[in-house]
Amino acid sequence: AQSVTQPDIHITVSEGASLELRCNYSYGATPYLFWYVQSPGQGLQLLLKYFSGDTLVQGIKGFEAEFKRSQSSFNLRKPSVHWSDAAEYFCAVGPLPGTASKLTFGTGTRLQVTL
Amino acid sequence: EAGVAQSPRYKIIEKRQSVAFWCNPISGHATLYWYQQILGQGPKLLIQFQNNGVVDDSQLPKDRFSAERLKGVDSTLKIQPAKLEDSAVYLCASSFAGTGVDEQFFGPGTRLTVL
Repeated sequence: AQSVTQPDIHITVSEGASLELRCNYSYGATPYLFWYVQSPGQGLQLLLKYFSGDTLVQGIKGFEAEFKRSQSSFNLRKPSVHWSDAAEYFCAVGPLPGTASKLTFGTGTRLQVTL
Repeated sequence: EAGVAQSPRYKIIEKRQSVAFWCNPISGHATLYWYQQILGQGPKLLIQFQNNGVVDDSQLPKDRFSAERLKGVDSTLKIQPAKLEDSAVYLCASSFAGTGVDEQFFGPGTRLTVL
């Protein structure tokens, strides 16, 4: 079965500092990987996705993520965090080949940004 | 382009009562999803529709939850009777074709509190 682990429940960074959010996955085939952001009271918004090809993926709002097959990881990064980046971030994997478009989400990492 | 609409945004009920949520997906999107997001967890897929047919309802508690998408557009999710553990945010999402590479667009969710 596919699964996603986000080891950090809560992270606090200073505005302007760099950010890395960790994501590890378990998957039986070449994964489709996603990062979503959820601001308070809002739905989830897609930041970026990886299907194949270049392992460094660029997304919206200055975010990027790197797929590392050897480490089963897909960590999210941003060089300089803005106060508006405070939100909850979810990593997701899926679907298995031949199945419907089911996503499996991690438990999320809440990002707090201090001024 | 209008996003995914959901109503109500908040609902408080007592256990054993019934409740219904409504979702209107993005125009032209064939696939509609209902997710349950319990506090501190990632979203979990309850049911996926392709047009007005069910693709995946393997995680829907069918003894109390039901969902329909009669005309292949908007959808309702019902809980009858509600239990305390149903307290969660119910997210609706839609995608154009429902394939694995398809981006899912999320609504703002309905926060349900069961007392």
